[in-house]
Amino acid sequence: DGGITQSPKYLFRKEGQNVTLSCEQNLNHDAMYWYRQDPGQGLRLIYYSQIVNDFQKGDIAEGYSVSREKKESFPLTVTSAQKNPTAFYLCASTPGTGYYEQYFGPGTRLTVT
Amino acid sequence: AQKVTQAQTEISVVEKEDVTLDCVYETRDTTYYLFWYKQPPSGELVFLIRRNSFDEQNEISGRYSWNFQKSTSSFNFTITASQVVDSAVYFCALSDDSGGGADGLTFGKGTHLIIQP
Repeated sequence: DGGITQSPKYLFRKEGQNVTLSCEQNLNHDAMYWYRQDPGQGLRLIYYSQIVNDFQKGDIAEGYSVSREKKESFPLTVTSAQKNPTAFYLCASTPGTGYYEQYFGPGTRLTVT
Repeated sequence: AQKVTQAQTEISVVEKEDVTLDCVYETRDTTYYLFWYKQPPSGELVFLIRRNSFDEQNEISGRYSWNFQKSTSSFNFTITASQVVDSAVYFCALSDDSGGGADGLTFGKGTHLIIQP
């Protein structure tokens, strides 16, 4: 089945540790995105990538890093510099320029204590 | 700057009632796209509809209908004869044409819809 996978569903880390969230898609989409969702809040854009080996900061990129070495993969690293990392993280993709609806993965709920 | 406002934080209705979720947007662009997504308790966002700024026709899909009014910058969503399975958080979102529309969506804060049996 085609789609977006994020693993794991739940992730727990100690404060001060970096953690990498996985996002893989087999839809052959060019563009991929990372959003953060906090309780009672909408989704906020962290990073996005329109093409392999290129990515752009979104509205809340501080404390996060990404890479796009392969078209199907867009991992997000939550660094120790992120002051409030506990949140629900959603990955999305879209075919690219000219296509606007985004398809979302199931999300990863990260808890940092 | 883009902005999407969903003023209704939570709505609770009894099954079979009709319910309307409000969405007001702000953008300086003449070309833009509006979306509605559904987020059930599982967390994954489900795409419901996309509407571009040049198409003001209302749309109906089964029990769902959408009313787009550029004059009031609104894109409201109505569920007719609501069912318990409609319980979810619903998000309205906006994308303008810069970057070919591939630079992310601006989301409202969502409306939590509770359908009581």
